[in-house]
Amino acid sequence: GAGVSQSPSNKVTEKGKDVELRCDPISGHTALYWYRQSLGQGLEFLIYFQGNSAPDKSGLPSDRFSAERTGGSVSTLTIQRTQQEDSAVYLCASSLDPSVSEQFFGPGTRLTVL
Amino acid sequence: GDSVTQMEGPVTLSEEAFLTINCTYTATGYPSLFWYVQYPGEGLQLLLKATKADDKGSNKGFEATYRKETTSFHLEKGSVQVSDSAVYFCALTDRGSTLGRLYFGRGTQLTVWP
Repeated sequence: GAGVSQSPSNKVTEKGKDVELRCDPISGHTALYWYRQSLGQGLEFLIYFQGNSAPDKSGLPSDRFSAERTGGSVSTLTIQRTQQEDSAVYLCASSLDPSVSEQFFGPGTRLTVL
Repeated sequence: GDSVTQMEGPVTLSEEAFLTINCTYTATGYPSLFWYVQYPGEGLQLLLKATKADDKGSNKGFEATYRKETTSFHLEKGSVQVSDSAVYFCALTDRGSTLGRLYFGRGTQLTVWP
């Protein structure tokens, strides 16, 4: 497809379980971002990948959160031992070049931790 | 650090009314400024942008002017429609950084009644 895609669109899990969220960026986009949208915190930056450089993880809220990007394309955000406060919509965005800075967002994954 | 402050809603207007959503920013470098819109049930979409002082971004009848002297980027539309009902987010990236991450305001819910 032409846009950023994310899967699953919805995920319900039990507290303490691990979850994986997937992002397929726009083909050719070198920069990939993860954000979290929650009622209490608004839109928060989580992590940034640029090409083959080491990711910037400065926005990850705890060491239960991790992300990888394979082959400079698909990215997976993993949350271990989920907590109720992890419930949010997780958004992925990509851009052609961070200096251009126009980011295209996916539809998001709504995570609910029971 | 970098941050964005926008007026919190909700904002409720009648069709054809004039809209202003205030946005001010703090940036350490040379920010690019954006307005993103999130329609009900949809992902974030770029509405308009401005990359330097005095630039005016415009799209779909919406306008915003990058005012460096007042560090503002207020969103305006002369005559709103029911279809403009959405959440609007002001955002910036700091081009002094190579990171390119977006700093978002908290969002403003707009409801337009016929």
